[in-house]
Amino acid sequence: TQLLEQSPQFLSIQEGENLTVYCNSSSVFSSLQWYRQEPGEGPVLLVTVVTGGEVKKLKRLTFQFGDARKDSSLHITAAQPGDTGLYLCAGAKGDWFNKFYFGSGTKLNVKP
Amino acid sequence: DAMVIQNPRYQVTQFGKPVTLSCSQTLNHNVMYWYQQKSSQAPKLLFHYYDKDFNNEADTPDNFQSRRPNTSFCFLDIRSPGLGDAAMYLCATSSGGQGGNQPQHFGDGTRLSIL
Repeated sequence: TQLLEQSPQFLSIQEGENLTVYCNSSSVFSSLQWYRQEPGEGPVLLVTVVTGGEVKKLKRLTFQFGDARKDSSLHITAAQPGDTGLYLCAGAKGDWFNKFYFGSGTKLNVKP
Repeated sequence: DAMVIQNPRYQVTQFGKPVTLSCSQTLNHNVMYWYQQKSSQAPKLLFHYYDKDFNNEADTPDNFQSRRPNTSFCFLDIRSPGLGDAAMYLCATSSGGQGGNQPQHFGDGTRLSIL
């Protein structure tokens, strides 16, 4: 059973469109990370959200952590072909160090 | 500059022939993780070290072993690779300590192929 449910699994959109990716759980996380991964490469950290209700912006990307720290969303405004990739959310739990629980990933394709 | 370095980037081995993948880090992080990732799926945690303390995930096959001789290096040994072990293997690090906001930093992975 997946601790973090990520949706949608696949997304194919035209350049300029907006999109939102969701990560949901019934568990509380101490923090949540979003990564972007290109084929043949390791995941690259985009953002870490820590506080319930926190919103972080990274250019055209907006990340939100739910008030109860159980869910998160990633919104991309005016998507570009360079945004194409696999987006992964990972929730962190742990007392002394973090163990990370990944969502199933969202494969985004932005067509020119 | 790369902070988590995995070697080799591509590894080809024969069915049943032992193989070792390596990971080194310059971050001086306490925690190191090994993940297996199959095509377009999420990474699956195999095991992790907090310093020298080793933690194996319950569903990690016995075929997979790990060694961490010092803070900087960690190895993944696959004793008898099967066709189902072909995957990308990712190493990651994280700092330890109380508090929940230390993210992972990943290497670029080793793509393992089995002939």
